[in-house]
Amino acid sequence: EAGVAQSPRYKIIEKRQSVAFWCNPISGHATLYWYQQILGQGPKLLIQFQNNGVVDDSQLPKDRFSAERLKGVDSTLKIQPAKLEDSAVYLCASTQNWLAGDHGELFFGEGSRLTVL
Amino acid sequence: AQKVTQAQTEISVVEKEDVTLDCVYETRDTTYYLFWYKQPPSGELVFLIRRNSFDEQNEISGRYSWNFQKSTSSFNFTITASQVVDSAVYFCALGTGNQFYFGTGTSLTVIP
Repeated sequence: EAGVAQSPRYKIIEKRQSVAFWCNPISGHATLYWYQQILGQGPKLLIQFQNNGVVDDSQLPKDRFSAERLKGVDSTLKIQPAKLEDSAVYLCASTQNWLAGDHGELFFGEGSRLTVL
Repeated sequence: AQKVTQAQTEISVVEKEDVTLDCVYETRDTTYYLFWYKQPPSGELVFLIRRNSFDEQNEISGRYSWNFQKSTSSFNFTITASQVVDSAVYFCALGTGNQFYFGTGTSLTVIP
């Protein structure tokens, strides 16, 4: 079974530039998460999707971050314009169907490491 | 409010020593799930175990064991006879409702 795929693995940009990260979850997984992990900290939830709908985006800085999952499969996370404090690893995770009661483990991708100069 | 606390920021042990990583959680939900993940230097989060709130049985898997105590809201993780390959950051997590909360992690270094 293929795992959660993310790209790019690494990205270096200057502040005020934009960047986009892509995630392809495990086939059949309805629930998809984007987490931000700053060095030395635990993952912080940015947004949670259930199929193509947003379940929770309360911690997403909506003035600069946006995310979509148009067809309920792949997802894209965008940052525009980037700030220095956005330097972090962006982790995508998926699980079968959290809201329907399948509280199985989250499967994580390898992450996309962003450095903002 | 839901919260996971991992009070130990960093732990160093000598190879073959036993080590316990602490996890304390807070939730008012009666149904919840507890997890441990390992994050090696490569960065990917690797699932280790899941426990639901109705199952307080301790679990052993090889050198790993977990102690779940609802009375103290703790879900501690013990590595017996630690090895260098166990060096990583370990995260405890709480799943409840539609949310998944991570602790801040414990960085374990096993010295050869």
